[in-house]
Amino acid sequence: ELKVEQNPLFLSMQEGKNYTIYCNYSTTSDRLYWYRQDPGKSLESLFVLLSNGAVKQEGRLMASLDTKARLSTLHITAAVHDLSATYFCAVDPEYGNKLVFGAGTILRVKS
Amino acid sequence: NAGVTQTPKFQVLKTGQSMTLQCAQDMNHEYMSWYRQDPGMGLRLIHYSVGAGITDQGEVPNGYNVSRSTTEDFPLRLLSAAPSQTSVYFCASGGSTGELFFGEGSRLTVL
Repeated sequence: ELKVEQNPLFLSMQEGKNYTIYCNYSTTSDRLYWYRQDPGKSLESLFVLLSNGAVKQEGRLMASLDTKARLSTLHITAAVHDLSATYFCAVDPEYGNKLVFGAGTILRVKS
Repeated sequence: NAGVTQTPKFQVLKTGQSMTLQCAQDMNHEYMSWYRQDPGMGLRLIHYSVGAGITDQGEVPNGYNVSRSTTEDFPLRLLSAAPSQTSVYFCASGGSTGELFFGEGSRLTVL
């Protein structure tokens, strides 16, 4: 059974600081996704990583994928309050949209 | 494009009642799925479909029923609601990269 573990589950950051969220998974896959969810809202796709070594950046967020280590990271640079949300990683082990999600990381950016 | 549309957004049921959550997508995706979201547990797959007439069970299918008569629609039926089914339900459709696009969610309370 595929397990997807995020670390940390809760992160309180000061504005302007950098931090990384980690996503480990237990089976072979080279498809990994990051989503953002605001309270009471739907999930918004942030990054689609489809190969080993894939790196994508959008604004202050950068995601990478190491399929050999079964690890993805979401790096936050110079955090701002608007980044406060819950971030999920998800893995597609069967190459067919059946995503398995981590528990989510609640990010709070304090000014 | 509306994307993925779910109704209703909120529903309160009594134990033993049945209901249907509606989901429609206008992206011509073959893949559709239903997840439930509970605090601290991420999203868990209930049922999915890879095309009209084809459905299969996910991780937590008990107490739910689905059908897929058209590409666009994928309703989720609760047969006899139980308090354990109190949750937020998300419908999603998926494209060729494995990425999922989510509806706005349906918040269900079973008393």
